[in-house]
Amino acid sequence: DGGITQSPKYLFRKEGQNVTLSCEQNLNHDAMYWYRQDPGQGLRLIYYSQIVNDFQKGDIAEGYSVSREKKESFPLTVTSAQKNPTAFYLCASSIEILFRGSGNTIYFGEGSWLTVV
Amino acid sequence: DAKTTQPPSMDCAEGRAANLPCNHSTISGNEYVYWYRQIHSQGPQYIIHGLKNNETNEMASLIITEDRKSSTLILPHATLRDTAVYYCTSPPHGTASKLTFGTGTRLQVTL
Repeated sequence: DGGITQSPKYLFRKEGQNVTLSCEQNLNHDAMYWYRQDPGQGLRLIYYSQIVNDFQKGDIAEGYSVSREKKESFPLTVTSAQKNPTAFYLCASSIEILFRGSGNTIYFGEGSWLTVV
Repeated sequence: DAKTTQPPSMDCAEGRAANLPCNHSTISGNEYVYWYRQIHSQGPQYIIHGLKNNETNEMASLIITEDRKSSTLILPHATLRDTAVYYCTSPPHGTASKLTFGTGTRLQVTL
C-alpha cells in the first residue's frame, strides 16, 4: 500500500535524552513535513523539506533537528534542548511544496506519541 | 493569508446529513479551501478541496459560496465512524509549508 509510515507509534524519553522519530513515504513525493500537536490544539509546523538534501525551519524548530538524505525518508530528532517535548508528532508529504492546482494536497502519517518520563 | 473560522462543536444524528460550516472571508482568489478530519490519536485524513465550484467525492461534498467567503462540508449520511475533528484550511498562495490547522469543529455523531 502507498502511504506514509511513522515509527514508533509510542515512545518514552528520559530527561536529557535525544530521540529520533522515523518517517518513510513511498508516494514519490518531493515535499515532506513534520508537525507537532498538543492535546486539544491545532498543528504547528516544525520543519519541512522541499527536496532531497534541503530542509527549512518551520514555526517551532527550536530543540528539533531533521535530515533529508533520501527522498523517501525524513527523520526528526527531538533533542534535549526541547523544553517540553511531550506531544503527538505528525509526518506528512505532498507532491511538491506549491499547490499549483487541483490534485495536490498534503497526506499525513498515523503519528507518533512522545512522552517524557 | 486566509484565516478560517469554524464552530468548536456540532452534533448530528446517525443517518442524517452533517453540514459543517467554515468562514474564510479573507481568502484570495487563487487560494483553495481544504478539508481534513482527525479521529482521536490518528493522523489527519484528507477529505476534499475546492476553489470556486462545488465539489463531490466518495467521502463528502463541498459547497463554496459565490463570493468564496465561506464554505460548507456535507457528509450526506453521517455514521458513528464520522465522529472526528474537522478542519477547514487554506494554504496562503498555495504554499503547502504555510498550511495551518486551527482547532477545527468536533463533530459528534449519535444514535
